Amino acid sequence: SQQGEEDPQALSIQEGENATMNCSYKTSINNLQWYRQNSGRGLVHLILIRSNEREKHSGRLRVTLDTSKKSSSLLITASRAADTASYFCATEEGGYNKLIFGAGTRLAVHP
Amino acid sequence: GAGVSQTPSNKVTEKGKYVELRCDPISGHTALYWYRQSLGQGPEFLIYFQGTGAADDSGLPNDRFFAVRPEGSVSTLKIQRTERGDSAVYLCASSLTANQPQHFGDGTRLSIL
Repeated sequence: SQQGEEDPQALSIQEGENATMNCSYKTSINNLQWYRQNSGRGLVHLILIRSNEREKHSGRLRVTLDTSKKSSSLLITASRAADTASYFCATEEGGYNKLIFGAGTRLAVHP
Repeated sequence: GAGVSQTPSNKVTEKGKYVELRCDPISGHTALYWYRQSLGQGPEFLIYFQGTGAADDSGLPNDRFFAVRPEGSVSTLKIQRTERGDSAVYLCASSLTANQPQHFGDGTRLSIL
């Protein structure tokens, strides 16, 4: 079973625009992570936000977490064609980083 | 600086056959995970190894699936009597310890005809 649900399922934007993806989850969490997956490749870890954090930045990425609403968002600013990929949120279970992924958002950035 | 390596990258076989999928984690990583990803979906957890032992195999779908990591490094996922529903991309990930970010291989795309 999957814990998170991403919204939207697909997003198409022009280079330079910002992209926002949302994630909702069901149970209490210790942290929430975002991963990127290019077509035919494995997942790449982007950022981790802990349950006691509300916002975190990494380069052009900004992640927010609202534990009261059980939701998170990933903002990519000034998008580039190279940002085209699927983006997944994941929550952790078991205390050993057993990841439970959502279905992902497919982002297409057009030059 | 090799990452996680998975072989083969593609495997096509007939229903009922046995398959083995191999994962070479990053050297020194003690934690190893297997996931399965169906088309258009996120990865689903199968099994977690800490060292040589399977600490959590709750994600294995049934007893046709088995995984080993005999020396605490390379792992093999084994599927017996394959079914068409087993077709998916099987991803392996490793991390230095269990609470560190996971590094994923590019997966093995398994197709059961």
